[in-house]
Formats: sequence, structure tokens, C-alpha cells
Amino acid sequence: DSGVTQTPKHLITATGQRVTLRCSPRSGDLSVYWYQQSLDQGLQFLIHYYNGEERAKGNILERFSAQQFPDLHSELNLSSLELGDSALYFCASSADRTTDTQYFGPGTRLTVL
Amino acid sequence: AQKVTQAQTEISVVEKEDVTLDCVYETRDTTYYLFWYKQPPSGELVFLIRRNSFDEQNEISGRYSWNFQKSTSSFNFTITASQVVDSAVYFCAFQTGANNLFFGTGTRLTVIP
Repeated sequence: DSGVTQTPKHLITATGQRVTLRCSPRSGDLSVYWYQQSLDQGLQFLIHYYNGEERAKGNILERFSAQQFPDLHSELNLSSLELGDSALYFCASSADRTTDTQYFGPGTRLTVL
Repeated sequence: AQKVTQAQTEISVVEKEDVTLDCVYETRDTTYYLFWYKQPPSGELVFLIRRNSFDEQNEISGRYSWNFQKSTSSFNFTITASQVVDSAVYFCAFQTGANNLFFGTGTRLTVIP
């Protein structure tokens, strides 16, 4: 158990809908990262938050957004969902904003029908 | 640009055999970090090891060992006396000051009893 929690574990929804994925980092970790794992794109970095502030963006679509709250948990919002958004979404946390080891949560499997 | 190549897509071995998973990276940075993560069938990403670019010492942890060679830009992972529980997808990853991880495409290891 990495200490990173993600909810829900599975999510099934329809095209055009909006969903919110939640992540709680390990105790004491200030950085939260979101990654997407899909069959065609592999594991890709989406976005990084450190202590409530956005630090870096990767291949994140404009339909997707994220935030990190004062209690350091983070939410990833996916809107206007398309079939191609079906993937495993991982949250990872690390102690600081530099190159510390990232520990991953169990992931949320999103299925868009 | 950074790139991580795991040329072996799938490997099958018989239990108790040794197996080496290859990882080659490309970067112009002088300071960077390399990682291996394991993704068992249950789906989570489990951290295995982290090395920085200034530490070329090989590392052994139980049946696992890692060989880091800057001269060939490789960070290979060997499992000795493989077990069925080692069956998983193994990802090599790279990190620089940008903080996010760049992942290889993964190697699926199947250990046959």
C-alpha cells in the first residue's frame, strides 16, 4: 500500500458527461501528479500540483482540469467525455516539488460508453 | 527531448529462470533520475527503485538487481530465480527537473510455473 488513495476505483459513464476523480496524497506529501494510462498512448503525464498551485502541464486536454485543495487532496475533472477518454487514471504524490520519488495510487478506471 | 525505450514488449520465462528487462534512455540533461515501476495484474503501479545520474553503482535487493550504465544510457533490471508472482508489466521511467515522469512502453513479463 503506497498510502495514496483514489476514489472511485471504477467509473462507468456516457459520452458527453462530466466526472470527478479524487486523490488523497500520502501524509506529508505536498505534490500531486495525475497520469493517464491508455492502450494507445501508454502512461502519460497530465498535470502537477504543489501545495495548491499548478506547477506543470503535460498532455492534458482542455476538457480536463484539476485542482489541489488546502487539505492537499486533489480532484481531476473530466468533461464532455468521449469514448477515447476511457483509461486508467493514476494519481501520484511526492514529498516536495522537485525530483522526489512519486508513489502511485491504485488508479481509477474510467469507462466511457 | 527525453525518451525511454523498452524494446522488449513481452517476455515469457519458466519459473526459476533469470530474466533481464532492458531500458535505454535518451537525454541531454546531466542530472536526471531513473526509476522502475511494477504493474501487477491488479493494476496499481508499485515503485521498485530510483537512481540518480551521478550514482552508477549497481544495486541488489533480494532477487532484484539493477545495472545502470551511463556509457550506454541503459538501466537494466534483472530478476533472479523468477517466481509466478513476478508476472507483471514493468515500466522504466525517467525524470528531470521538469519533475514529471516519462515512462517507457513497458515490458510484460509472464513467469510460467
